[in-house]
Amino acid sequence: DTEVTQTPKHLVMGMTNKKSLKCEQHMGHRAMYWYKQKAKKPPELMFVYSYEKLSINESVPSRFSPECPNSSLLNLHLHALQPEDSALYLCASSQERGGWGNTEAFFGQGTRLTVV
Amino acid sequence: QQQVKQSPQSLIVQKGGIPIINCAYENTAFDYFPWYQQFPGKGPALLIAIRPDVSEKKEGRFTISFNKSAKQFSLHIMDSQPGDSATYFCAALIRGYQKVTFGIGTKLQVIP
Repeated sequence: DTEVTQTPKHLVMGMTNKKSLKCEQHMGHRAMYWYKQKAKKPPELMFVYSYEKLSINESVPSRFSPECPNSSLLNLHLHALQPEDSALYLCASSQERGGWGNTEAFFGQGTRLTVV
Repeated sequence: QQQVKQSPQSLIVQKGGIPIINCAYENTAFDYFPWYQQFPGKGPALLIAIRPDVSEKKEGRFTISFNKSAKQFSLHIMDSQPGDSATYFCAALIRGYQKVTFGIGTKLQVIP
């Protein structure tokens, strides 16, 4: 199983709503990531969890709140978002450590988020 | 600061042609170079990857060429098909360090 599963696939939310994005992987990967991707741009790193601890926060606004309940799950809690936060939100996972070929990130299909 | 420069940003080839996408990097600490393929509305999917002690790697119709001294690498797609139409991202990373640096992406269109 080399899948990273994200739910929901699409989400429309108002600026006062609270919603959560979910991500799950069963590859035994111990690093999990949230990326944001705007149209015609490369993915932009937001957060990294390593062994269920937040290891990198790329100065993301506090209206985005990540959570890693266990080694297979990653959530992104959303609150008071702005229309400019509309984007494809991608979850990814990778081996924490390893030799050649164990370092690539595997991406989920993404959640297309629209903030109205 | 764009640490991985990718070109061209868009590319149109005819079926059977060999599109070539080029990337150059600046950080000599990078030691792993994956390529991702992304179809509209989908997440990026790992296509092929190379390490800097190898000059070329082939997987099916996809070949990476790597020039360590020039700090450049490129993706060639042999016998390209319309189904190869997608956006391709080169990337670079330092193994054990969790940040992947992506190129800006190349939108490839293969016309029948």
